[in-house]
Amino acid sequence: DADVTQTPRNRITKTGKRIMLECSQTKGHDRMYWYRQDPGLGLRLIYYSFDVKDINKGEISDGYSVSRQAQAKFSLSLESAIPNQTALYFCATTSGRNTGELFFGEGSRLTVL
Amino acid sequence: AQSVTQPDIHITVSEGASLELRCNYSYGATPYLFWYVQSPGQGLQLLLKYFSGDTLVQGIKGFEAEFKRSQSSFNLRKPSVHWSDAAEYFCAVGAHLTGNQFYFGTGTSLTVIP
Repeated sequence: DADVTQTPRNRITKTGKRIMLECSQTKGHDRMYWYRQDPGLGLRLIYYSFDVKDINKGEISDGYSVSRQAQAKFSLSLESAIPNQTALYFCATTSGRNTGELFFGEGSRLTVL
Repeated sequence: AQSVTQPDIHITVSEGASLELRCNYSYGATPYLFWYVQSPGQGLQLLLKYFSGDTLVQGIKGFEAEFKRSQSSFNLRKPSVHWSDAAEYFCAVGAHLTGNQFYFGTGTSLTVIP
């Protein structure tokens, strides 16, 4: 099983719908991140969390919210999806005690019609 | 402000040829530098990283990178490319000591021709 699991892997939805992307990890890491990948733009940070009680906005948090339900779970929500949120979303984890390597999930491809 | 620049959007090389992917960074402190590879339909996998010490670092799959502080660069190299190296490559800079915020470049897409 993958160390960082994202669900769903693919989702097509309509404008205005609420969407939740879920991430769970078995690596025991305290730090979790949500990134968005768009062609030509690389990965951009949406939100990150250093523990259950610590949530921080990244560079593109508008239109998104997150929930850190447990150390191992970090969910990303789009309260009212819009077409320009169509992208590939990645969850990643790392430990504050290690050398900083990020471990990524396989991605969730979201299409908003 | 922190930033990472990968000037080459797309590179095509012949199998067996050498490869160099460029990465320049802007960072206010000692950088922690990474190269990740993304194969089609996959997440990102770490190729190599630099934190301190020897400025030439070795990674997986025969890749290496050299940190040049004077040029603010961290270029990725491979002496002989294999067809399986076709992928997207991302350079990243991180701040381990100030909260593990990571900044990624826009990526370089590598095509390998037979």
